Amino acid sequence: DGGITQSPKYLFRKEGQNVTLSCEQNLNHDAMYWYRQDPGQGLRLIYYSQIVNDFQKGDIAEGYSVSREKKESFPLTVTSAQKNPTAFYLCASKGTHAGGLGGEQFFGPGTRLTVL
Amino acid sequence: EDKVVQSPLSLVVHEGDTVTLNCSYEVTNFRSLLWYKQEKKAPTFLFMLTSSGIEKKSGRLSSILDKKELFSILNITATQTGDSAVYLCAVVVGGTSYGKLTFGQGTILTVHP
Repeated sequence: DGGITQSPKYLFRKEGQNVTLSCEQNLNHDAMYWYRQDPGQGLRLIYYSQIVNDFQKGDIAEGYSVSREKKESFPLTVTSAQKNPTAFYLCASKGTHAGGLGGEQFFGPGTRLTVL
Repeated sequence: EDKVVQSPLSLVVHEGDTVTLNCSYEVTNFRSLLWYKQEKKAPTFLFMLTSSGIEKKSGRLSSILDKKELFSILNITATQTGDSAVYLCAVVVGGTSYGKLTFGQGTILTVHP
């Protein structure tokens, strides 16, 4: 089945540790996105990538890093520099067939990160 | 700074009621407005709106965009308990086809039997 997968579903980390969240898609989409969701704040864009080996900072990139070595994969690393990392992280992708008007993004199931 | 504001932030109704959710925006380089429904995990796509005044409809849900007044509404008629969810409004901005989405805070809808 085509779709976006994120792993793990739940992640616990001690303060001061880096952690990497996985996002894989088999939809052949060019663009991929990482969002963070906190209660009462909707989704906020962390990083996005429009093509392999290229990515741009979103609105809240500080304390995060990404890579895009393959079209299918867009892992997000939450570094120890991120001051408040406990949140729900959502990955999304969008393909060229969505058109030039900015079509829908397809979302993965999310990873809930808790820093202990 | 691009801004999307949803209201109300939460809403509690009984089955059979009709609800209207609001989304207003102030952004540069508007491309489209999207509505999503989020239950436990990933948001699921409902509508994409690009033109003013054209209603999009899917079953009991409908939505319309007003680009002059910079807002959109999502209507749900004859609500059911399965409509309970967070409804997210997002505006696509940017100069490329892979524009960024700016999300509102979401409206939490609770439908009681």
